[in-house]
Amino acid sequence: GNSVTQMEGPVTLSEEAFLTINCTYTATGYPSLFWYVQYPGEGLQLLLKATKADDKGSNKGFEATYRKETTSFHLEKGSVQVSDSAVYFCALSDTGGSYIPTFGRGTSLIVHP
Amino acid sequence: DSGVTQTPKHLITATGQRVTLRCSPRSGDLSVYWYQQSLDQGLQFLIQYYNGEERAKGNILERFSAQQFPDLHSELNLSSLELGDSALYFCASSPRQGSTEAFFGQGTRLTVV
Repeated sequence: GNSVTQMEGPVTLSEEAFLTINCTYTATGYPSLFWYVQYPGEGLQLLLKATKADDKGSNKGFEATYRKETTSFHLEKGSVQVSDSAVYFCALSDTGGSYIPTFGRGTSLIVHP
Repeated sequence: DSGVTQTPKHLITATGQRVTLRCSPRSGDLSVYWYQQSLDQGLQFLIQYYNGEERAKGNILERFSAQQFPDLHSELNLSSLELGDSALYFCASSPRQGSTEAFFGQGTRLTVV
């Protein structure tokens, strides 16, 4: 079956530090890949997506590249802000058959001033 | 604001009781997804409806059921509640039948005492 594995958190950084949150996946078909963000007390919001190999998704300074050879979709940001503190979820949608969406367990990011 | 409305925001009930959670999707979205988020299980997909028909089932207990009405709003019914059912329940909507790219509501926090 499909699965998504994220690095365990919390990830604690100082403001302006470089961020990487690792995500790897297992899928039987040709998945689309997503990163969602959940701020405290809110629902999930789509942050970025990539629908095929070598695509790069980007939004609000965050980037992730769909790497089929390493089955990875790592999230990066060059300079984090306190306002980026949230929980980040990697997810996939396997459009080859099953429509059951699969989410990782989430990685908490804490950014200190 | 995602455009997805969930009610109520908070619910406290006793073990053995039955509750109904309600979701109004974004205008025009035909797909509704239900998720359960808990500290130990992470974000678990429960069930999906598309234009009134059940389309996919995840880790939904037999004590739980859902439906989508002709006006596209959806209800999740939880019965014979147990302490372990305490969680955040999210609804998400999407214009397409099979996609993880969806718009999430702010959730209903259920506490079973």
